[in-house]
Amino acid sequence: SQTIHQWPATLVQPVGSPLSLECTVEGTSNPNLYWYRQAAGRGLQLLFYSVGIGQISSEVPQNLSASRPQDRQFILSSKKLLLSDSGFYLCAWSVKGTAYNSPLHFGNGTRLTVT
Amino acid sequence: RKEVEQDPGPFNVPEGATVAFNCTYSNSASQSFFWYRQDCRKEPKLLMSVYSSGNEDGRFTAQLNRASQYISLLIRDSKLSDSATYLCVVNSQTMDTGRRALTFGSGTRLQVQP
Repeated sequence: SQTIHQWPATLVQPVGSPLSLECTVEGTSNPNLYWYRQAAGRGLQLLFYSVGIGQISSEVPQNLSASRPQDRQFILSSKKLLLSDSGFYLCAWSVKGTAYNSPLHFGNGTRLTVT
Repeated sequence: RKEVEQDPGPFNVPEGATVAFNCTYSNSASQSFFWYRQDCRKEPKLLMSVYSSGNEDGRFTAQLNRASQYISLLIRDSKLSDSATYLCVVNSQTMDTGRRALTFGSGTRLQVQP
């Protein structure tokens, strides 16, 4: 069966510090991968998605970046965090190759607090 | 107008009650619809897909009305464990590859009271 691992679970970082969140998927090949952010009391906002190694698309302009160095590894980074980067970050995967979107399956999330 | 809109609630219902949530979407070309459940401070989890003919999974029934562009979720015989936020999900964004991404509503909070 497929599993998705995301770490760390919680993170407290000062403004201006760098960020690296990692996500790996097991039990499937060539998945679509996504990074979402959920601000407190708000809906999920799609940040990045990837359809393959090295292929990253950004949905919103921001000081975050993403990379996919391996088929089942997705990394979210920032060189300098802002207070507004605080939130609940969720990595997700979906099956590729269906006529319609297959559902997303989420990791446990990382709760980031920028102080 | 938001792409996906839900009543934020909260819906406070007694155990055993039947409760229904609606969700409207703006893109008439949307083709995939889902309901997710999110517990407090946890990740969303897929509850059920929504099919054109409507579908049922135990106490949960999902329906799609394309003409009016809304989907619904009906929960019968509510349990305390049903307390959560229910997210409506629609594919409505177009990626630069031509594929669509899923857009999440902000969620409807349900609180089942003993």
